[in-house]
Amino acid sequence: DTEVTQTPKHLVMGMTNKKSLKCEQHMGHRAMYWYKQKAKKPPELMFVYSYEKLSINESVPSRFSPECPNSSLLNLHLHALQPEDSALYLCASSQSLAGGRNTQYFGPGTRLTVL
Amino acid sequence: QQPVQSPQAVILREGEDAVINCSSSKALYSVHWYRQKHGEAPVFLMILLKGGEQKGHDKISASFNEKKQQSSLYLTASQLSYSGTYFCGTDPTGNQFYFGTGTSLTVIP
Repeated sequence: DTEVTQTPKHLVMGMTNKKSLKCEQHMGHRAMYWYKQKAKKPPELMFVYSYEKLSINESVPSRFSPECPNSSLLNLHLHALQPEDSALYLCASSQSLAGGRNTQYFGPGTRLTVL
Repeated sequence: QQPVQSPQAVILREGEDAVINCSSSKALYSVHWYRQKHGEAPVFLMILLKGGEQKGHDKISASFNEKKQQSSLYLTASQLSYSGTYFCGTDPTGNQFYFGTGTSLTVIP
């Protein structure tokens, strides 16, 4: 099973709301990623977890807060977002970080709209 | 750190060939290739790990020139299903990942 699932598929939220995005994989992968993708642009890396520890935080604003409760789950908590945060949020997993040798498997994404 | 791809966009008729290039200003230790269809997630195509390595499956193949810090993706006898945006990707430090600027490929009947 090479599936990464994400919920919800679509999310509309106001700037004062708090919401969470969820990601799950059952491939036994030990690295998980959050990407943000704006229309007609490549995905941009936000966070990387390796063995449930935050490995990379690409200078993302604190209104985005990642959490990795266990090796299969990855959450992204959202609070006080701005309209420019509207984008497709993609989750991915790979066997490990291992120097760029591992394939990343992507979930279908959550389409987020901030009003 | 983001690799630059060329061309930005290409339109092909079914059966025609295309080449997509990926260049990096930093040393490349590996190159990944992904395809993303509109409204969908990126899908892994292949990874090249050594300089000079060429890989392929079906009618899609790729080469990797470590010295020139470049990779190329070759699509031969294109099919309608090849339409999408193609991204190369690199991991310059071993624990980060940067997608290239992307190439939009449209195959028409």
